[in-house]
Amino acid sequence: KQEVTQIPAALSVPEGENLVLNCSFTDSAIYNLQWFRQDPGKGLTSLLLIQSSQREQTSGRLNASLDKSSGRSTLYIAASQPGDSATYLCAVSRSGGGADGLTFGKGTHLIIQP
Amino acid sequence: IAGITQAPTSQILAAGRRMTLRCTQDMRHNAMYWYRQDLGLGLRLIHYSNTAGTTGKGEVPDGYSVSRANTDDFPLTLASAVPSQTSVYFCASSEQANSPLHFGNGTRLTVT
Repeated sequence: KQEVTQIPAALSVPEGENLVLNCSFTDSAIYNLQWFRQDPGKGLTSLLLIQSSQREQTSGRLNASLDKSSGRSTLYIAASQPGDSATYLCAVSRSGGGADGLTFGKGTHLIIQP
Repeated sequence: IAGITQAPTSQILAAGRRMTLRCTQDMRHNAMYWYRQDLGLGLRLIHYSNTAGTTGKGEVPDGYSVSRANTDDFPLTLASAVPSQTSVYFCASSEQANSPLHFGNGTRLTVT
């Protein structure tokens, strides 16, 4: 059974710093990996999706990398801002999986101090 | 604005009562999902639908049922609510299975 772990569970950094969030998974036979953010009392918002054949994806100040063989992904946030404060979750989709094949990590709660 | 609408936003329900959580999407996505989110347990899939007319069981389906009569609607029914079903319920959709997921804002359900 796929297990997804996110470390750290919580992180607090001053505004302006670059930071890295980590996601690891136990089964490397994945189809893709997604990063989401969740604001308090809200649903999840998709940030980036990396296909298993890709090494990274970028969107603005966000860069997600994928090392499938080692079962790791990172989300890099450049020049952090207070508006980046949220919980960030990663989810992996198993290879050949259908709509039931997504496994979520428990998230990293990020606070950016003004 | 296109997206997913969930109703109600929150509900307090007596144990043993029947409850239907509503979910509607206007993006013409083929796949839809119901998740529950619990502190310490994360997001867990209850039921899903790859396309209208089909449904499947997720990780925690017991006590819940779904139907997918058309593309837009995917209601979740609790036939006889129990306190362990107290949770935040999220409906989501994607263009296809394995496409990026879009989430609604959730229904906070308390079963007393």
